[in-house]
Amino acid sequence: EAGVVQSPRYKIIEKKQPVAFWCNPISGHNTLYWYLQNLGQGPELLIRYENEEAVDDSQLPKDRFSAERLKGVDSTLKIQPAELGDSAVYLCASSRGSGPQETQYFGPGTRLLVL
Amino acid sequence: AQSVTQLGSHVSVSEGALVLLRCNYSSSVPPYLFWYVQYPNQGLQLLLKYTTGATLVKGINGFEAEFKKSETSFHLTKPSAHMSDAAEYFCAVSGTSYGKLTFGQGTILTVHP
Repeated sequence: EAGVVQSPRYKIIEKKQPVAFWCNPISGHNTLYWYLQNLGQGPELLIRYENEEAVDDSQLPKDRFSAERLKGVDSTLKIQPAELGDSAVYLCASSRGSGPQETQYFGPGTRLLVL
Repeated sequence: AQSVTQLGSHVSVSEGALVLLRCNYSSSVPPYLFWYVQYPNQGLQLLLKYTTGATLVKGINGFEAEFKKSETSFHLTKPSAHMSDAAEYFCAVSGTSYGKLTFGQGTILTVHP
């Protein structure tokens, strides 16, 4: 089966510009996650969706970040306006269910550089 | 609250030598534990996971890990390193009612010929 697809793979923008990342999860996976991975660190959860509902967005900086998962499949993560400190890798993951034992499958990530 | 500490941000071994990557966790509930591997410019791939049952867990590519509750550890081992094992390895814990993974800071494994 196809894995988690993310685009673009790389993005370079100037600060204060908007940027959007897209994720297509594995078919049949109801739970979708967005993670932020800073250089030299492990991923940190930004937001979790169960179907189209955002059930955990406590770590999402809502002043500049937004996300949506229309129709409970694809998802988009947006930053507006971007800041220098947003330079990082943004990972999308999906799992079949939402239990703590579920395996999360990760996409290749979008590497963002803000100049 | 849960946390993961990976001892050693860099580990270097010779090809054919034992690989040991250390992971200690903290969790207020019975943990589920995971090891992921990340190759350059790629996403994370699951190596193995502990949920319940047998405490020695075997994964892909010859890796295994042992859950030791008394030591709050979940160290990753492989008897004989290959050059292709060079990557970054992440330990993660999930212990809440849903699948929020808390990751360690990662260990970069270098394999020398």
